[in-house]
Amino acid sequence: SQKIEQNSEALNIQEGKTATLTCNYTNYSPAYLQWYRQDPGRGPVFLLLIRENEKEKRKERLKVTFDTTLKQSLFHITASQPADSATYLCALERSSYKLIFGSGTRLLVRP
Amino acid sequence: KAGVTQTPRYLIKTRGQQVTLSCSPISGHRSVSWYQQTPGQGLQFLFEYFSETQRNKGNFPGRFSGRQFSNSRSEMNVSTLELGDSALYLCASSPAEVSVREQYFGPGTRLTVT
Repeated sequence: SQKIEQNSEALNIQEGKTATLTCNYTNYSPAYLQWYRQDPGRGPVFLLLIRENEKEKRKERLKVTFDTTLKQSLFHITASQPADSATYLCALERSSYKLIFGSGTRLLVRP
Repeated sequence: KAGVTQTPRYLIKTRGQQVTLSCSPISGHRSVSWYQQTPGQGLQFLFEYFSETQRNKGNFPGRFSGRQFSNSRSEMNVSTLELGDSALYLCASSPAEVSVREQYFGPGTRLTVT
């Protein structure tokens, strides 16, 4: 069955450093992959979408890469800030109209 | 544009009761998806509606049902509540029509079953 794996351990980094989060998937070749941010007690917020024919996508301090051979996406936050502390989720459209989410990685940015 | 709204925000029910949750999508969005989020299972897909038709559903028992109205507002119903149904129920709308990319989530309804 389709599996989406994200590092369950929290990532703890110093302010100003680059945070890199990983999303690995199996048994599927998605047309695109999405990243969301979720703060405690709130709904996820859409951040970026990258298509299978795109190697890299950027939005302000965010960068996403998509390697369909490795079945992996990397999510980078450059010049990280304490306000970036949240849980980050990756998601794939598993079958038509059904979005499957990874379990998320919690990011903690220390001032 | 106003965001996705969900009502009620908090709900406490007793085992065996039923509950109805409501979701109003962003204006112009016709796709509405529902998710259950628990600490142990993460975000689990319940079902997706588009123009009043259910296009896909997740692996949940038949006690979980939903519907969508002509104005794209959606409701989900859980009958015969169980303790394990305690969760955050999230609704999301999408501007896409042939996929469910770029979903916009509501704040969720926190359901506690006692």
